[in-house]
Amino acid sequence: GENVEQHPSTLSVQEGDSAVIKCTYSDSASNYFPWYKQELGKRPQLIIDIRSNVGEKKDQRIAVTLNKTAKHFSLHITETQPEDSAVYFCAASRGLMRFGAGTRLTVKP
Amino acid sequence: DVKVTQSSRYLVKRTGEKVFLECVQDMDHENMFWYRQDPGLGLRLIYFSYDVKMKEKGDIPEGYSVSREKKERFSLILESASTNQTSMYLCASSLTGSEMYYGYTFGSGTRLTVV
Repeated sequence: GENVEQHPSTLSVQEGDSAVIKCTYSDSASNYFPWYKQELGKRPQLIIDIRSNVGEKKDQRIAVTLNKTAKHFSLHITETQPEDSAVYFCAASRGLMRFGAGTRLTVKP
Repeated sequence: DVKVTQSSRYLVKRTGEKVFLECVQDMDHENMFWYRQDPGLGLRLIYFSYDVKMKEKGDIPEGYSVSREKKERFSLILESASTNQTSMYLCASSLTGSEMYYGYTFGSGTRLTVV
């Protein structure tokens, strides 16, 4: 089955800096790659996703890139703000979604 | 605006008890899932269902069963609760589309403690 690895497990940045979270996946048939943000005590919420026919997608300060050949994808957050502090999960799917272990991002004011 | 509702936010049960975790969605989604969330392990799939009366084992089904009698409701059952089942349980639902996959909508989670 699909195996998703996510790095780093924790990330601390200064407000205004960029943050990058990386994931690799094992199943070359996976074709959908969402990212979820989970704030403390809240449910995971979809923040951006990318499909395998696209190499990059951007939504304001958030972007995701996908390298199908290398089987890795990344989340980029620019101009980080304290409210970006949360746990971020990547996932890969070709029907059933498998999640990475999560990255705890802390943005220091 | 709540779309996926889990019946309990916090639950404390005794070892050996039979435990029912309920999940209801109001989005007419075909697919429903149960995950458990543990620190450092991410979200691990317990069971899922693509249709009423249908269920499939996920990656860690041991000690659990499920029931889906109606489209909107998916129940997770711990047949005989054990302390290693202390965890956060998340229910999710999604649409089905041919050749296209959709993100999940999660419930708020049930934090289960087995003592």
